[in-house]
Amino acid sequence: DAMVIQNPRYQVTQFGKPVTLSCSQTLNHNVMYWYQQKSSQAPKLLFHYYDKDFNNEADTPDNFQSRRPNTSFCFLDIRSPGLGDAAMYLCATSRDGTQYFGPGTRLTVL
Amino acid sequence: AQSVSQHNHHVILSEAASLELGCNYSYGGTVNLFWYVQYPGQHLQLLLKYFSGDPLVKGIKGFEAEFIKSKFSFNLRKPSVQWSDTAEYFCAVNTGGFKTIFGAGTRLFVKA
Repeated sequence: DAMVIQNPRYQVTQFGKPVTLSCSQTLNHNVMYWYQQKSSQAPKLLFHYYDKDFNNEADTPDNFQSRRPNTSFCFLDIRSPGLGDAAMYLCATSRDGTQYFGPGTRLTVL
Repeated sequence: AQSVSQHNHHVILSEAASLELGCNYSYGGTVNLFWYVQYPGQHLQLLLKYFSGDPLVKGIKGFEAEFIKSKFSFNLRKPSVQWSDTAEYFCAVNTGGFKTIFGAGTRLFVKA
């Protein structure tokens, strides 16, 4: 089945220790997104790619970076995680406006 | 700024009860509208969407939603809920381009 895969599903890191979350897709969609979702809140868009074109949301902290080496893969790098960055991170792809989500990576910051 | 409001954060119903979840958005132009659902332990998935045409759209598992442009609303309905409908429901709006705005979600618990 075509899908969006995220690894790892759970990530524990220490305050200030860089962490990378990965996302891959077999849907061959041009657009990929990273969202941050905290408990009882709406998913918050961090950035998106249209092919290799990177688009950062104005309120996304500089601490968050992303890479998309090819159509299938996209990475979220958090350079110096703070306690406030603990959240679920969702990757999604899009075709015709409909979004297809991965299962998410739950990040814990100690 | 564009926003999406979901009126109820938590809803508890008994099986066979009717469901209506409210969603309002703030944007005066053309919109694409979505309801996504997240079942326990699963990822977010599309329930239904409206792009144009008949404002009453039908989705999976007996859900439907009605777009009322004058009220900036896209409420989700189901005539008779089942225990398996227990999930979190998100309304979302796309105003053009690649950005979609999500509501904060409504957690539905259906008692068997």
